[in-house]
Amino acid sequence: SQQGEEDPQALSIQEGENATMNCSYKTSINNLQWYRQNSGRGLVHLILIRSNEREKHSGRLRVTLDTSKKSSSLLITASRAADTASYFCATEGLYNQGGKLIFGQGTELSVKP
Amino acid sequence: GAGVSQSPSNKVTEKGKDVELRCDPISGHTALYWYRQSLGQGLEFLIYFQGNSAPDKSGLPSDRFSAERTGGSVSTLTIQRTQQEDSAVYLCATRKGGGRANEQFFGPGTRLTVL
Repeated sequence: SQQGEEDPQALSIQEGENATMNCSYKTSINNLQWYRQNSGRGLVHLILIRSNEREKHSGRLRVTLDTSKKSSSLLITASRAADTASYFCATEGLYNQGGKLIFGQGTELSVKP
Repeated sequence: GAGVSQSPSNKVTEKGKDVELRCDPISGHTALYWYRQSLGQGLEFLIYFQGNSAPDKSGLPSDRFSAERTGGSVSTLTIQRTQQEDSAVYLCATRKGGGRANEQFFGPGTRLTVL
């Protein structure tokens, strides 16, 4: 069953603008990860943030985590047309053995040149 | 190979037939996961293998679904007596070691269409 919810479901922006996607989850987590998916096929790992971290950066990506609100956000700065894809948050539960991921429904990002 | 590979990339079958989907993990990755992505349900966990431990089958939707991992390497996901609701993209992912806080590497998926 899905535990994550993401908003917005779809986001359309112009190249150069920033894109912000939000994710909420329900149970205690060990970490939260963001993945990107092009054309409905394989997922590519973007960034992982541990439950004791509040913010993390990787290139043009900035992720925040608020465990008190059970929410996370992914910010992509200075977006490019090549950033067009679906973005998913995924959580690894605190009491989950084995590291299986629970995914959100995803945000479909469209960056117009 | 450098990444996780899956075969076939596309499979069209008739309702009631059995299908086998294959996953070749990254060499040395001991943890292997199967997920399913369908329009109505999003991305769902199906099954997890870690080394020689008993697999976590808690995500398998029915007893028509089963999976094996031979020699800690290649895995096959078998769906018996396929139904139209089984149509989805089946994704395999692997991870280095059994520890937490490591990314999963996903294969390109197998798109299954049940007519």
